[in-house]
Amino acid sequence: DTAVSQTPKYLVTQMGNDKSIKCEQNLGHDTMYWYKQDSKKFLKIMFSYNNKELIINETVPNRFSPKSPDKAHLNLHINSLELGDSAVYFCASSHRDRAWHEQFFGPGTRLTVL
Amino acid sequence: KQEVTQIPAALSVPEGENLVLNCSFTDSAIYNLQWFRQDPGKGLTSLLLIQSSQREQTSGRLNASLDKSSGRSTLYIAASQPGDSATYLCAVRRSNDYKLSFGAGTTVTVRA
Repeated sequence: DTAVSQTPKYLVTQMGNDKSIKCEQNLGHDTMYWYKQDSKKFLKIMFSYNNKELIINETVPNRFSPKSPDKAHLNLHINSLELGDSAVYFCASSHRDRAWHEQFFGPGTRLTVL
Repeated sequence: KQEVTQIPAALSVPEGENLVLNCSFTDSAIYNLQWFRQDPGKGLTSLLLIQSSQREQTSGRLNASLDKSSGRSTLYIAASQPGDSATYLCAVRRSNDYKLSFGAGTTVTVRA
């Protein structure tokens, strides 16, 4: 299936732990994104990479570090997890030269910090 | 800063009625506007994308219009069905910007 996939789908962990979320797209896109959807369902951009280069870095605590090993992957590592990090994290991708940068989203990772 | 507002926040209609969902944005210098559907506990599905130079886009029972000068877009869903029940999100991309700014969504319930 051509899609944006994320692992894991659910992540439950203790405060203070370090965790990673992985994202892969097989759509041939050159741009990938991480969004956070909080408890009020509001979606906000966190990071974006274009051809493995960081192009968007919103006001996010530096405990969050994205890593893009190649154009098809964008991972999110979170250090020293806090209660307020509980949310659903969505990965998305698009292509600069196709379909006017239409963004396609993954299924989301629901992170719960206890 | 681009601010996106969706009204109403929630909508309940009987099956067969047409749906009208509104989206407004503060900065008219947009590149495109995208409408998404989100089912509970699921990801976002792209429904329609309208380029800044376009006035409307259609896909099946869905029609989205764009009035860039007034900062408005409307999503029409004809002959609603219970399967249309979901949250509908509007997102705007500014010119020369990779970011999508999202509205808070309109949660639609279609009653059988």
